[in-house]
Amino acid sequence: AQSVSQHNHHVILSEAASLELGCNYSYGGTVNLFWYVQYPGQHLQLLLKYFSGDPLVKGIKGFEAEFIKSKFSFNLRKPSVQWSDTAEYFCAVITGGSYIPTFGRGTSLIVHP
Amino acid sequence: DTAVSQTPKYLVTQMGNDKSIKCEQNLGHDTMYWYKQDSKKFLKIMFSYNNKELIINETVPNRFSPKSPDKAHLNLHINSLELGDSAVYFCASSQAAGLADTQYFGPGTRLTVL
Repeated sequence: AQSVSQHNHHVILSEAASLELGCNYSYGGTVNLFWYVQYPGQHLQLLLKYFSGDPLVKGIKGFEAEFIKSKFSFNLRKPSVQWSDTAEYFCAVITGGSYIPTFGRGTSLIVHP
Repeated sequence: DTAVSQTPKYLVTQMGNDKSIKCEQNLGHDTMYWYKQDSKKFLKIMFSYNNKELIINETVPNRFSPKSPDKAHLNLHINSLELGDSAVYFCASSQAAGLADTQYFGPGTRLTVL
C-alpha cells in the first residue's frame, strides 16, 4: 500500500522567511499529488495539485510545489511567508487506478510576525 | 454559501451512547466521503459513497454505519460509542467516483467520548 511521509511535523518561521515542506510518497506508478491547507478553525482546502505536465505547479497565495519523480517527492515552497500562512499543511497522493487520496500526517506551520 | 457542511461541529457524549453526524454538499458532486482524523492528525478514509451507493468501506467497525438518503447527503451514525472513537470526523465530496480529483471538505465534527 502506498504511504505519504511528511517529515517536518512542526515548523516555526519568522515572517519573510522562505518555506519548504517535504512530502515523499512510496508508489512507483502514476500519481496525482495534492497539497491541502487547514487554517486555524477552518476546513481543509486545496492549495495546489499536480496531475500531469509541468512538474512545477503554482497554487494559491504564492505557494508552489515541484514534482520530482526520481525522488518520489512533491515539496511545497513559498519564498516569503506571512503570519497568515500559519496553518496545518497536508500532502496527499492518489495512485493510479484509485480515486481515494492517502494523506500525510500534516505539518504544523507557525509564522511569527 | 457553504459547499460542504456538517452538523454538529462539536459533540461530547458518554461511552455507550449512539450518535449521528450529518453532512450535506451543495456542489452537485456524485461522491462523498467520511474521514477520521486522529489525535496525531492522520486523516484516514472511512467510507466513500457514489450516488448513494457504498463504494469504499475501509476496515471500520460495524458500529459505524453511513447512510446516504440522496447524493447530496451522507450521514454517519455511530453505535455504542467508545473512548477510541474520539477524533475529528470530516465529510468531503468530489466530482465523480473513478476520477482522481480535488476533495472538498466540511468543517469537521470534533467528537469527544467521555
